[in-house]
Parts: sequence; structure tokens; C-alpha cells
Amino acid sequence: DQQVKQNSPSLSVQEGRISILNCDYTNSMFDYFLWYKKYPAEGPTFLISISSIKDKNEDGRFTVFLNKSAKHLSLHIVPSQPGDSAVYFCAAYYSGNTGKLIFGQGTTLQVKP
Amino acid sequence: DAGVTQSPTHLIKTRGQQVTLRCSPISGHKSVSWYQQVLGQGPQFIFQYYEKEERGRGNFPDRFSARQFPNYSSELNVNALLLGDSALYLCASSLEDYQPQHFGDGTRLSIL
Repeated sequence: DQQVKQNSPSLSVQEGRISILNCDYTNSMFDYFLWYKKYPAEGPTFLISISSIKDKNEDGRFTVFLNKSAKHLSLHIVPSQPGDSAVYFCAAYYSGNTGKLIFGQGTTLQVKP
Repeated sequence: DAGVTQSPTHLIKTRGQQVTLRCSPISGHKSVSWYQQVLGQGPQFIFQYYEKEERGRGNFPDRFSARQFPNYSSELNVNALLLGDSALYLCASSLEDYQPQHFGDGTRLSIL
């Protein structure tokens, strides 16, 4: 049972444009969501997170939006840079089980110069 | 400050053997979690330890075990290795239970 889903395996955007990565979840008990970026031969790197009591969180070029009614979140990267090319994972956990991250399958982002 | 460090980086074993993977968390981090990542999928949770106690276990067989030491470092043991255990094993640490986890670069385990 895939509780966190990233339905787009890959995304290609032009440098300077917006990248939008999407994530859906099924477990309504999730109350904290995170995005990680992963380069080949490296571990995932934490990017940004959002609590379920919020609908938006910004950190520089990265913004995460949460739509609880739709059980959907998205990561916006503006402007996209070639160095952003990586695999992006959406992850979630719920209170009382904070050490157990549930990951999506990942989306490979390619930013073309 | 040093990040999460894992050893070894690569390992080749044969079916039926046993393996021990090691993880040193970021200094001061009390929570350590282990994940298995197979190609094309996201990491899957195996164990979490907090203050040397097991806090959670994922859907993995009893061949998988782990422990955390007084200095918060951790070991993951896998017995009776199967071909399907071939994967990237990731360790993550966090300062407290509810804070974002920071990952090491993983141990690539190949079973022949």
C-alpha cells in the first residue's frame, strides 16, 4: 500500500523557469511533510518541510504548498537552476511515529541550461 | 560539523552470509533511523532508535536487527542474506524525535 505517491517519474524544465513537483498521500493521519533532494551516490538532503497546520512554507527559491482536503502537496522551485537537477522525494510522518518517514517513489528533475 | 557517516560505503556478500553496517550520527543527535532503498523506489523504513531504545520497526523480517550504542552510533545487522537484500542502506539522524532527519550517503550492499 503506497501511502505517499509521486506519480510523475520525471520532469524537465528550462533554466530560469518554475519547477513544480507533486505528491499525493492517502493517510489522513500524516501531520508533517518533507521534501528531500538526492544526487547520485549521495544520501538524500533535507530541503524543506511543512506542518499540517499550515498550507504554505517558503525557504528561498523553494516553496511547499499543502492542500489537506485534496491530500496533495507540491514543491515549487523558482527560478530553476541546472544544479537543481536531482531526484526529489516527498516524505511524511505522523505524530507518535516521527522516526518513521514514509517516502514516495521520487521524481527526477532535469533543468536544462 | 561532520554529517552522518556510514561504513562501509560498498559491500559484496554471498547468499546466506551475515553483514553489519555502521552509522555515526551527527554529533548530539539522539535519534537514528535505518532505511533500505532499492533501485527506482523511495527509501523504506527499517528501524528507529532513540536514546538507545527501539522506537519503531518497519515491515522487515527478523533477519534484520539493529542496536544503538551509548554514544548514539548504531549498527544494522542482516543475517542469512538473500539476493533481494541487495540495496542501498541509509542511516539518518535527528536531534530530537520530531525534527527533520539528515541522511548519510549510505552503504551499497550487493548480494551474489
